[in-house]
Amino acid sequence: QQQVKQSPQSLIVQKGGISIINCAYENTAFDYFPWYQQFPGKGPALLIAIRPDVSEKKEGRFTISFNKSAKQFSLHIMDSQPGDSATYFCAASKTSGTYKYIFGTGTRLKVLA
Amino acid sequence: GAGVSQTPSNKVTEKGKYVELRCDPISGHTALYWYRQSLGQGPEFLIYFQGTGAADDSGLPNDRFFAVRPEGSVSTLKIQRTERGDSAVYLCASSLNPGGIMSTDTQYFGPGTRLTVL
Repeated sequence: QQQVKQSPQSLIVQKGGISIINCAYENTAFDYFPWYQQFPGKGPALLIAIRPDVSEKKEGRFTISFNKSAKQFSLHIMDSQPGDSATYFCAASKTSGTYKYIFGTGTRLKVLA
Repeated sequence: GAGVSQTPSNKVTEKGKYVELRCDPISGHTALYWYRQSLGQGPEFLIYFQGTGAADDSGLPNDRFFAVRPEGSVSTLKIQRTERGDSAVYLCASSLNPGGIMSTDTQYFGPGTRLTVL
């Protein structure tokens, strides 16, 4: 019940295209869903995050879509650029008690120039 | 510095040795977390500190792993009798005020310490 399932494992997109990464969770007590971007040799950096009281959040080229009933959320990267090539992790946590993140297994994105 | 710092960046040790990994959180952040990231995987939670106390250590794999945060700032992750399976990147993160408004739930990660046990 603590798992967060992420797909696809890897993704290749043409420059200017849309990258879509999906995550699903089981624990309905989760109420905070961040996405992190990680470059090789670096720590994860927060991209965007959402709470389940909204169905969509947009920041620049990055959008999270959230479906509470399906327990799924996704990251959309519009106008993908070669500099977006990195590994992306979704995560889920509760905002009470312990605040540990449960991470997905990651998606390695490559944007072709 | 403005971010979370971790030292050393790389640590190579031999099986059976003791290692200490250090984390300096962002100044003023009350919460500190340790995660472990194996190759090709997402980070896995190890332990969470709120101030000086370990509020949740349920992720520590066994009693060879121990962490402290004696003054509520710097934390040290200690691994005794290291095994080859301990090889991973150990990440530290801090947050300002967990459980508060959304912007303060964010965990900021350091660059990690890559531990290699030969």
